[in-house]
Amino acid sequence: SQTIHQWPATLVQPVGSPLSLECTVEGTSNPNLYWYRQAAGRGLQLLFYSVGIGQISSEVPQNLSASRPQDRQFILSSKKLLLSDSGFYLCAWSVPGYRADNSPLHFGNGTRLTVT
Amino acid sequence: AQKVTQAQTEISVVEKEDVTLDCVYETRDTTYYLFWYKQPPSGELVFLIRRNSFDEQNEISGRYSWNFQKSTSSFNFTITASQVVDSAVYFCALSEAEDGGFKTIFGAGTRLFVKA
Repeated sequence: SQTIHQWPATLVQPVGSPLSLECTVEGTSNPNLYWYRQAAGRGLQLLFYSVGIGQISSEVPQNLSASRPQDRQFILSSKKLLLSDSGFYLCAWSVPGYRADNSPLHFGNGTRLTVT
Repeated sequence: AQKVTQAQTEISVVEKEDVTLDCVYETRDTTYYLFWYKQPPSGELVFLIRRNSFDEQNEISGRYSWNFQKSTSSFNFTITASQVVDSAVYFCALSEAEDGGFKTIFGAGTRLFVKA
């Protein structure tokens, strides 16, 4: 069966520090991978998605970046965090490619990031 | 561009009441998928239902039912005889094919409080 791992669960970082959140998926090949952010009391905002190694689409201009160095690894990074980067970050995967029966998103447990 | 609107920010009901969560979407595609997810206080998103754009048949699963109306671009979710355990944030989402995969956009969510 497929599993998704996301870490760390919580993180407190000072403004201006770098960030690296990692997500890995097991039990499936070439998944679509996503990073979402949920600000306090708000909905889910799609940040990045990837349909394959090295293929990253960015949805929102920001000081965050994403990379997919391996098929089932998705990394969210920042060189210098801002206060506004605080939030709940969720990694997700779905079945790849065009399908008649679209796969739902399978989410990790999330990382709660507080920038101080 | 895709858009998902959940106009109800918060709903509060008393246990055993029925409650309907509204979802209105916008898309230019003829093939798309609609989802509902539940986010309990623990934070992890749980997939509830998927509907494709060619299937307007309503669905019932226990106390949950979904009403998909293409004519009004709505995909509403009704909980019958609500229970305290239904308290959560509920997200409606729209997924469309893009770049060889599917991109999913979420509404802002509706926070449901069910009081005993």
